[in-house]
Amino acid sequence: QVQLQESGPRLVKPSGTLSLTCTVSGGSVNTYYWSWIRQVPGQGLEWIAYIHDTEPANYSPSLRSRVTISLDTSKNQFSLSLASVTTADTATYFCARGGTSSKWFDLWGRGTPVTVSS
Amino acid sequence: IVVTQSPDSLAVSLGERATINCKSSRSVLFNPNNLNYLAWYQHKPGQAPKVLFYWGSTRESGVPDRFSASGSGTDFTLTITSLQAEDVAVYYCQQYLNSLPKFGQGTRVEIK
Repeated sequence: QVQLQESGPRLVKPSGTLSLTCTVSGGSVNTYYWSWIRQVPGQGLEWIAYIHDTEPANYSPSLRSRVTISLDTSKNQFSLSLASVTTADTATYFCARGGTSSKWFDLWGRGTPVTVSS
Repeated sequence: IVVTQSPDSLAVSLGERATINCKSSRSVLFNPNNLNYLAWYQHKPGQAPKVLFYWGSTRESGVPDRFSASGSGTDFTLTITSLQAEDVAVYYCQQYLNSLPKFGQGTRVEIK
């Protein structure tokens, strides 16, 4: 079955860039929407962005100025880049399938914790 | 669209009923197809969140039938009719009517 696995540095310095990759196994990234979602400690789930192989990416308005999502179909991966991080970006980051209108998140990764600290 | 859950947490005895409410600031019922664009998820610590219901009340394959979901428009309910120990988790509702997905703040379910 299709599985998602997040990877990337667990510690990022303030003002730096958080970079994560989600590897999709057991299926193709083509034709689906893929999202990044985070959970700040003590808070709920926050959708960050989604990407599709034939449509423009879409971003949360609150993070749009700092976020880039990209898709590498040759590696069956998609990635997140979050610039100018602060301690408020400390969170567990999840990758998931879905996110556009008319589609729920039907598959998720286990999440990877990222701490922003000097 | 803002999605608000209640309560934030609840403690229920094993075998008893747990009820979680979800309210949307705007209707998530799409009239042309009469579907509610709302999903429910279960999230256990250290695990991937799991979808329980979509289209408001369509059960995902493999979800035990002690879980049920109902509602339409702006008001929705997730019910666990006979709470089991493995149901301890945080539950979220989420609207997907537009391209800005929004989750409720989550409801933590514990054993009393």
